[in-house]
Amino acid sequence: ETGVTQSPTHLIKTRGQQVTLRCSSQSGHNTVSWYQQALGQGPQFIFQYYREEENGRGNFPPRFSGLQFPNYSSELNVNALELDDSALYLCASSLGGRGSEQFFGPGTRLTVL
Amino acid sequence: QQQVKQSPQSLIVQKGGISIINCAYENTAFDYFPWYQQFPGKGPALLIAIRPDVSEKKEGRFTISFNKSAKQFSLHIMDSQPGDSATYFCAAHAGNMLTFGGGTRLMVKP
Repeated sequence: ETGVTQSPTHLIKTRGQQVTLRCSSQSGHNTVSWYQQALGQGPQFIFQYYREEENGRGNFPPRFSGLQFPNYSSELNVNALELDDSALYLCASSLGGRGSEQFFGPGTRLTVL
Repeated sequence: QQQVKQSPQSLIVQKGGISIINCAYENTAFDYFPWYQQFPGKGPALLIAIRPDVSEKKEGRFTISFNKSAKQFSLHIMDSQPGDSATYFCAAHAGNMLTFGGGTRLMVKP
């Protein structure tokens, strides 16, 4: 069984740029959720994708967007990067649109200068 | 109200001791309460979880106690080991999202 994988591991961008982060879900899982974890804080829910559709969104602006592909992998896109976007971005996979048991990947550390 | 409040923020325990971390919530729609363990530079790893129809769940050295009427739940780590030193997060599930507590940094001294 393959766990959740994310790429890249680290990324440095400048303010105003755009970034794309990638996630492959755990084998057999069809739902992907994205979380932002600022330093020293708990993860905050960005949104979830199920059957290639956005299936719920947290309190994040529209410049945070995503995609899910037929193989259940997912992308998180962030436009017009701000300094406060610097964080660890976590992807979690689960089974079913209301899947409560979520398994996290190692995350992508984004630094915005 | 979606908040989950976690305490303490940090905890130092001697090897072999019991580590206790507490969480409280307000939203009665929460239907699943997991605990995650996170090491520096890693993603959170699911440790143990409980549903609100159960008052206690034990897996090895880890036990969740759940008090539905008080809207509180706690993690007990028995016989704490230096390898348990990590940040622990409680979380609560409703709809399709997890709401996390602020985390507890646990240090187990040898």
